[in-house]
Amino acid sequence: GQNIDQPTEMTATEGAIVQINCTYQTSGFNGLFWYQQHAGEAPTFLSYNVLDGLEEKGRFSSFLSRSKGYSYLLLKELQMKDSASYLCAVRVGTGGFKTIFGAGTRLFVKA
Amino acid sequence: KAGVTQTPRYLIKTRGQQVTLSCSPISGHRSVSWYQQTPGQGLQFLFEYFSETQRNKGNFPGRFSGRQFSNSRSEMNVSTLELGDSALYLCASRPAGTGGIGEKLFFGSGTQLSVL
Repeated sequence: GQNIDQPTEMTATEGAIVQINCTYQTSGFNGLFWYQQHAGEAPTFLSYNVLDGLEEKGRFSSFLSRSKGYSYLLLKELQMKDSASYLCAVRVGTGGFKTIFGAGTRLFVKA
Repeated sequence: KAGVTQTPRYLIKTRGQQVTLSCSPISGHRSVSWYQQTPGQGLQFLFEYFSETQRNKGNFPGRFSGRQFSNSRSEMNVSTLELGDSALYLCASRPAGTGGIGEKLFFGSGTQLSVL
């Protein structure tokens, strides 16, 4: 089956760094995505990894290890507005693709 | 460019009724996916349509169905509603055919369905 695991909740302090981990067991891997979802809003795209390594985009970075089925999202210089759910998603399939999501990690940023 | 539009925003139904949700993708996007989001389960994949054809389907009962029109707009139908169908239903579109980062999804704000 297809399975994506990530922590349910995390708390961090404003200005700090936080790492949100994601492990997956899927077949036909075709890329890993991170989305951010604020309460009551639609998810929005943050990052994409298809090859092993680190992708950096401003305060956000995402890492992928395909052999380990592991990814993390790194948020630096945390701001209060970063309080949101972070969704790990994997594009799977051959021929008929679909994107499956983990349950999401709720991040609380405190002053 | 307008984003993904879902209607209605909120819907209240009773058990046994049926409901139809609508999604208009971003102009030029040919693929539309539907997801069910609940607090404990996260986003659960329902189905994906491309050029009016269902390309993939999640593990939901046959009461959940959908279709896509020639203008890429999509509808999702749930028949014989159950209390457990209460959820946020999200629609997402993507250009399709581009591969890689082009597979990222653009989500609508969702339809919040409450079944009483």
